[in-house]
Amino acid sequence: QKEVEQNSGPLSVPEGAIASLNCTYSDRGSQSFFWYRQYSGKSPELIMFIYSNGDKEDGRFTAQLNKASQYVSLLIRDSQPSDSATYLCAVPDTGGFKTIFGAGTRLFVKA
Amino acid sequence: EAGVAQSPRYKIIEKRQSVAFWCNPISGHATLYWYQQILGQGPKLLIQFQNNGVVDDSQLPKDRFSAERLKGVDSTLKIQPAKLEDSAVYLCASSFGTERETQYFGPGTRLLVL
Repeated sequence: QKEVEQNSGPLSVPEGAIASLNCTYSDRGSQSFFWYRQYSGKSPELIMFIYSNGDKEDGRFTAQLNKASQYVSLLIRDSQPSDSATYLCAVPDTGGFKTIFGAGTRLFVKA
Repeated sequence: EAGVAQSPRYKIIEKRQSVAFWCNPISGHATLYWYQQILGQGPKLLIQFQNNGVVDDSQLPKDRFSAERLKGVDSTLKIQPAKLEDSAVYLCASSFGTERETQYFGPGTRLLVL
């Protein structure tokens, strides 16, 4: 059974700090990785995807991928209280058709 | 562009009753997904359609759950009979092509089984 692992948190950071969210995956052949944000009581929405080793930046968000270590992370710079949400890591299953979601990490940004 | 539509938004039923959920994906999206999300967990795929056909239903409890996608557009998910452990949010999502593309989620249906 292929797995996507995340620390459930909660991760608490002060406003303006960098929040670092981590995800490990078991499928060594995985090629694409997605980060979704889910506010409480709402549905997930995509914030970042990454295909290549290294970093990908989009505004305050940076995704980092290390395929050798089977590790993908999301950094949120200058964290804002509005960033408080659950962040889901999602990895398509290379052996089938489904996308496997991690359990998510809850982030709290304190004003 | 209209998003993914789902109805109802909330449903309360007693165990052993039946319930149905409806989803209308984003226009032109070939792939439609039904997920079950239990509180504190990530979404779990129940069934995935590519146009009319099922491409993955390995985690669908087929003794009680069924789903169809009519004419490759909207879809219904049915539970009959419901159990207490079916209490969850049922999310419908769609993507233009395969699961390797961005999935767009609907607002979800919150189901409570008493």
